[in-house]
Amino acid sequence: DSGVTQTPKHLITATGQRVTLRCSPRSGDLSVYWYQQSLDQGLQFLIQYYNGEERAKGNILERFSAQQFPDLHSELNLSSLELGDSALYFCASSVVAGGRGTGELFFGEGSRLTVL
Amino acid sequence: GQNIDQPTEMTATEGAIVQINCTYQTSGFNGLFWYQQHAGEAPTFLSYNVLDGLEEKGRFSSFLSRSKGYSYLLLKELQMKDSASYLCAVRTQNSGYSTLTFGKGTMLLVSP
Repeated sequence: DSGVTQTPKHLITATGQRVTLRCSPRSGDLSVYWYQQSLDQGLQFLIQYYNGEERAKGNILERFSAQQFPDLHSELNLSSLELGDSALYFCASSVVAGGRGTGELFFGEGSRLTVL
Repeated sequence: GQNIDQPTEMTATEGAIVQINCTYQTSGFNGLFWYQQHAGEAPTFLSYNVLDGLEEKGRFSSFLSRSKGYSYLLLKELQMKDSASYLCAVRTQNSGYSTLTFGKGTMLLVSP
């Protein structure tokens, strides 16, 4: 158990719909990262937050948005869903946003999204 | 941009040694990680290198050459449970904040 909690574990929805994925980081971790993993693309970095502020953006579509709340939990919102959005969405947390220490990421179990 | 290459698949026999290579091209390099991921599960941290050389951790070792943009993960005394995907990830630092970019992973199949 990494200490990172993601809900829901599984989600099935239809094209055009909107879903929200939720992540609670490890206690004490200020940084939250979202990754998308599909079969042919590997782990794709979407977005990173540190203590409530957006810090880095990767290949995140305009239909997707995220935020980190004062209690440090984060939500990833996916809208106007398409078939290609079907993937495993991982949240990860780390204690530091900078380069101090190892800075390893601890991953949640992921939210598997299926768009039909 | 960043480019991380690793073989797609490898096979090995139980008890053997396998080396999984990773090459990368990036700016702002600030460390290289190896993660293990079993199918449908979360990636878990294996090793970290920021300086050149070999880091040994039980049956797993990882090597880094920053000048060559090259790393490898060495797995000894392979066990069936080592069948998994191994992800090479490069950390880069910009404006004081780090991001971690993953390669597509190497699927290792260990056979009896």
